[in-house]
Amino acid sequence: GAGVSQSPSNKVTEKGKDVELRCDPISGHTALYWYRQSLGQGLEFLIYFQGNSAPDKSGLPSDRFSAERTGGSVSTLTIQRTQQEDSAVYLCASSVAGTLGNEQFFGPGTRLTVL
Amino acid sequence: QKEVEQNSGPLSVPEGAIASLNCTYSDRVSQSFFWYRQYSGKSPELIMSIYSNGDKEDGRFTAQLNKASQYVSLLIRDSQPSDSATYLCAVIRNNNDMRFGAGTRLTVKP
Repeated sequence: GAGVSQSPSNKVTEKGKDVELRCDPISGHTALYWYRQSLGQGLEFLIYFQGNSAPDKSGLPSDRFSAERTGGSVSTLTIQRTQQEDSAVYLCASSVAGTLGNEQFFGPGTRLTVL
Repeated sequence: QKEVEQNSGPLSVPEGAIASLNCTYSDRVSQSFFWYRQYSGKSPELIMSIYSNGDKEDGRFTAQLNKASQYVSLLIRDSQPSDSATYLCAVIRNNNDMRFGAGTRLTVKP
């Protein structure tokens, strides 16, 4: 079946603009995660969803960042008034809830460049 | 203290040697442990999972878990240049709350 998909694959924007990143998880996966990875760095946890609710938003770097998930499927990560330090690859992952394994499957990422 | 800690490396080993990657975690209630491999410019992919104390072997890979010491490791036997990548340790604290370490960069030299 289809894996996790993300769009756009690349996004170049000007400082101060808003951007919206989209993640389509694997069908039936109730858990969805957003991470940020700067060049040469590890994964920075941003937020995760269990269904449509977000039990943990502690990773969001500032109030310019927000995320939502509707219908227990697609999620969007919105960054308002982008700054140059927001430039990174934004990765989405999904997993099946309620099982011991909970392997996360990653999407290809969205590379965001803020000029 | 970070929730999941790894030595960032780089770790360099010659081809054919054993590569040993280490990870410690802070939350004692953590239940599940994973090793992901990430090639440059690619997304992470799962290579091993371990849930019980002891060793788990899969081909050239062996994961080791010691919950008392809050320590998990990955051994790669007969290392190949194609194993050169960043290895990420991940821990599930409860439910689906998974946290990743910063990763260890491994280079296997021919």
